Amino acid sequence: GQNIDQPTEMTATEGAIVQINCTYQTSGFNGLFWYQQHAGEAPTFLSYNVLDGLEEKGRFSSFLSRSKGYSYLLLKELQMKDSASYLCAVRVRPSGGYNKLIFGAGTRLAVHP
Amino acid sequence: DAGVTQSPTHLIKTRGQQVTLRCSPKSGHDTVSWYQQALGQGPQFIFQYYEEEERQRGNFPDRFSGHQFPNYSSELNVNALLLGDSALYLCASSTDYPKNIQYFGAGTRLSVL
Repeated sequence: GQNIDQPTEMTATEGAIVQINCTYQTSGFNGLFWYQQHAGEAPTFLSYNVLDGLEEKGRFSSFLSRSKGYSYLLLKELQMKDSASYLCAVRVRPSGGYNKLIFGAGTRLAVHP
Repeated sequence: DAGVTQSPTHLIKTRGQQVTLRCSPKSGHDTVSWYQQALGQGPQFIFQYYEEEERQRGNFPDRFSGHQFPNYSSELNVNALLLGDSALYLCASSTDYPKNIQYFGAGTRLSVL
């Protein structure tokens, strides 16, 4: 089956750094995405990894190790507005099929002053 | 450039009724995917439309059906509503290349009483 695990909740302090981990067991892996979702709003695209390594984008970085089935999202210089849910999503493409996203349950991050 | 738009924003129905949700994709996108997101959970893939055809489907019953129009907009229909269908319904649009990133609308909050 397809399985994605991430912590349910995390807390951090404004100005600090936080790392949100994601592990996955999927078949047909074809990329990993991170989305941010504020309560009651649409998920917004943050980052995309398809090869091993680190992708940096301003205050946000994402890392992927395909051999370990592992990714993390790193948020630096935390701001209060970063309080949100962070969704790890694996894109899979079954043999003869098409790409689709499988989401983890999300990690709720609370940033405190 | 308008992003993905969904209507209505909120909807209240009773058990047994039928509902239609609508989605307009981001300009230049030809693929529309629908997701169901229960409270505190990640989005669950319902189905995907491309060239007016259902290209693939998740583990949802036949009560869930859809349509894509020549202008790439899409509808999600749910028949014989159950209490358990109460959720946020998200539409995402994408193109196959270069990165097949899905961009989400703000969703329709459906409450079934």
